[in-house]
Formats: sequence, structure tokens, C-alpha cells
Amino acid sequence: GNSVTQMEGPVTLSEEAFLTINCTYTATGYPSLFWYVQYPGEGLQLLLKATKADDKGSNKGFEATYRKETTSFHLEKGSVQVSDSAVYFCALSYSGGGADGLTFGKGTHLIIQP
Amino acid sequence: DGGITQSPKYLFRKEGQNVTLSCEQNLNHDAMYWYRQDPGQGLRLIYYSQIVNDFQKGDIAEGYSVSREKKESFPLTVTSAQKNPTAFYLCASSTAQGLVNTEAFFGQGTRLTVV
Repeated sequence: GNSVTQMEGPVTLSEEAFLTINCTYTATGYPSLFWYVQYPGEGLQLLLKATKADDKGSNKGFEATYRKETTSFHLEKGSVQVSDSAVYFCALSYSGGGADGLTFGKGTHLIIQP
Repeated sequence: DGGITQSPKYLFRKEGQNVTLSCEQNLNHDAMYWYRQDPGQGLRLIYYSQIVNDFQKGDIAEGYSVSREKKESFPLTVTSAQKNPTAFYLCASSTAQGLVNTEAFFGQGTRLTVV
């Protein structure tokens, strides 16, 4: 079945530091890839997405590139802020739908210190 | 505005009671999902439905039940058989068919506490 692996947290950085959160996936076919963000006590919000190989998703200073050759979708940001503190989930969506069609990583808790 | 709505936001249950969590979407999505999230944990799939009047068990279905009588609605019942129901419950929806792999949309969650 499909699977998503992302780095364990918590990840603690100082404000204005460079951020990388690694994500790799295993899937049949050609999935779309996503990063979601979850703030305390809330649901998941879509942060960015990429639907085919070499696509780059970007939003709010975050970027991730769909690398089919390495089956990766690493999240990066050049200068993090305290407000970026949250849990980040990497995910894939496959057109077959169902339980396997929507697969999440376990989440990475990011803590940004002033 | 289109979206997915969960209610209530907070729910308290006495031991031995059944409770039902509501999830409604107006996105015209075929697929709907229920996840459970425990502190510091990822998402665990409880049930999912790809079409009206059909649903499938996820990884942790024991002690839960669902129905899908309408495309817009996918309520989750936490039964007394669920031994440790205190958790944060998330409902999501997405398109399930076709060539476009769309993202899942999430509700704001329901925090269930057994008292």
C-alpha cells in the first residue's frame, strides 16, 4: 500500500533560521503530494501542493518540490517566524481513492523560539 | 462558502453512553473520512466512505459506527464499546474518482472527553 515517511519531531529552531522537514513516499501510480499545517486545537489546513513530477508548490514562504526520482517532497522555508510553530503533515492523494488513496505521515512538530 | 463543518467543537460523554459527532460538507465531494488524533500522534483512520450508502472500516474501527445516507453528511457514533474514546476527531472529504488527485479538506475537529 501507499505510505508517507516524515522526520520525527519536535524540531526546534530560532527565529529567522532555515527550515527543512523531510518527507518521502511510497506509492503506485502518480500521486499528488501535499503539505498540511495544524495549529493547536484546530483541523488541518492545506499549506501547499504539487500534482506532478518537478512541480514546485509554494505558499507563505514555504516551498516543496515533487521529486519523482527520489520519491521526496521536502518542505523548506528560508526564514521561519514564531507564528510558524505548528504541526506539519506530509500527505499523498491517489486517484483510486479509498483508505489507501489518502495517506498521511505522522506529523512533525515545529517549535520556533524568539 | 464551500467547506466542511464539524459539530460540536467540544463534547463531553459519561462512561457507557453513545455520542454522535456531526460532519457536513457542501463541496460535492464523493469521499469522506473520519480520523482520530491523540496528543502528539498522527492521524489514525477510523472509517471512510467513497459513495452514498457505502463505507469501509479503517485501521481502528472497533467501538465506532458511521452512516452515509446523504452525500453531504457522514456522522460518527462513538459507542460504549470504545474503551478509550477521549481524543480529537477530524472529519475530511475529497474527490474519489477521476484523474485529478485533489487535496483533502478538513473540518475544525471535535474534542471528545469522557467524564
